[in-house]
Amino acid sequence: DVVLTQTPVSLLISLGGQASISCRSSQSLVHSNGNTYLHWYLQKPGQSPQLLIYQVSNRFSGIPDRFSGSGSGTDFTLKISRVEPEDLGVYYCLQRTHNPWTFGGGTKLELK
Amino acid sequence: QVQLKESGPGLVKPSLTLSLTCTVSGFSLSSYGVIWVRQPPGKGLEWMGVIWGNGNTNYNSALKSRLSISRDTSKSQVFLKMNNLQTEDTAMYFCARLGQGAAFDYWGQGVMVTVSS
Repeated sequence: DVVLTQTPVSLLISLGGQASISCRSSQSLVHSNGNTYLHWYLQKPGQSPQLLIYQVSNRFSGIPDRFSGSGSGTDFTLKISRVEPEDLGVYYCLQRTHNPWTFGGGTKLELK
Repeated sequence: QVQLKESGPGLVKPSLTLSLTCTVSGFSLSSYGVIWVRQPPGKGLEWMGVIWGNGNTNYNSALKSRLSISRDTSKSQVFLKMNNLQTEDTAMYFCARLGQGAAFDYWGQGVMVTVSS
């Protein structure tokens, strides 16, 4: 199975600051069709996960441009600029290239 | 708008079968896949399986022997059945649509299932 390793496990950020989360894969996430199925989610406390970024760098509908995704192959990054209170929660990366589809272990974003 | 809602028993005895329903609205099950994901208390997310728009299914190999996903397109419902439940199957169970960018774009609120005698 593909293992996604997220770092850091937790992140203390001041409001208005910038956060960066890494997601490293044990295998390349480039599909045979050329697409890279690496997505990012935020799970706020007591809620279901919500899609932020799909296919590495595409923001989902309604997601502010403070969120950006980048990377290729096995290394991916989610950046959150100008952190706001509603950004707090656990961030997960998900790969949908290889079966079984797998999630990273999560990164908890908290206020400093 | 797109909505999904999970339903099912909150408590299941060990060794018995779990049956959950995901009722969707705002889209057609013939056009979109639906996935199931679970999350044990305080832990991370595990993809369980998918039923595609054409009705085909794929399962996480770790659960494949116990898991079955089906649907009733006329009722806009997707069903999950998992047999031989153990205490480690205690989790929040979510269904989600497989949509934009091949991502799980809309999620239900989840249903908590506790396995206990």
